[in-house]
Amino acid sequence: AQRVTQPEKLLSVFKGAPVELKCNYSYSGSPELFWYVQYSRQRLQLLLRHISRESIKGFTADLNKGETSFHLKKPFAQEEDSAMYYCALGGFNDYKLSFGAGTTVTVRA
Amino acid sequence: ETGVTQSPTHLIKTRGQQVTLRCSSQSGHNTVSWYQQALGQGPQFIFQYYREEENGRGNFPPRFSGLQFPNYSSELNVNALELDDSALYLCASSDRDRLSGANVLTFGAGSRLTVL
Repeated sequence: AQRVTQPEKLLSVFKGAPVELKCNYSYSGSPELFWYVQYSRQRLQLLLRHISRESIKGFTADLNKGETSFHLKKPFAQEEDSAMYYCALGGFNDYKLSFGAGTTVTVRA
Repeated sequence: ETGVTQSPTHLIKTRGQQVTLRCSSQSGHNTVSWYQQALGQGPQFIFQYYREEENGRGNFPPRFSGLQFPNYSSELNVNALELDDSALYLCASSDRDRLSGANVLTFGAGSRLTVL
């Protein structure tokens, strides 16, 4: 079965504090992991994908196949990081992505 | 480069009715995926169309059907609407011909369906 678990529905941090969003997955094949983000009044958009190994807007995520995790991290949260974050799982050129339930991040001044 | 556009943005139907939602894919994309997002949940995959053929389907009954046209735009049809069909329906386009491009989705703003 293909499954994504985001254990935190809500995450509140102060500006400048580190933030970590947890994501665990279950997949029998070779996984492709993503983080998608939805800012207020905007559409869902790609934040980063594990194969590119980029840092986008200060966020990084490392795929840990042993722990089947793909946690999203940022060392210093900014107010503009307040958004809904979804972890998503697919296979390479598979026909679908499976999304987690999402984590709402609020960064307080 | 145009993004993904969906219509209508909002609609209200009653149980038993039928609905058609429309999606124009991003320029250069050949694949359209449809997702259902219920309140408080992540998007759930309905099906995907690649070059006018259904390319995969999630756990949705046959009353959910779709089409993709030669210009890669797409329709989602739902027959015999039920109250539980009330949700945001998201269309996303991608390019399956690009290496690992299938899962890099560009989303539309969604069509919010309310079934009374």
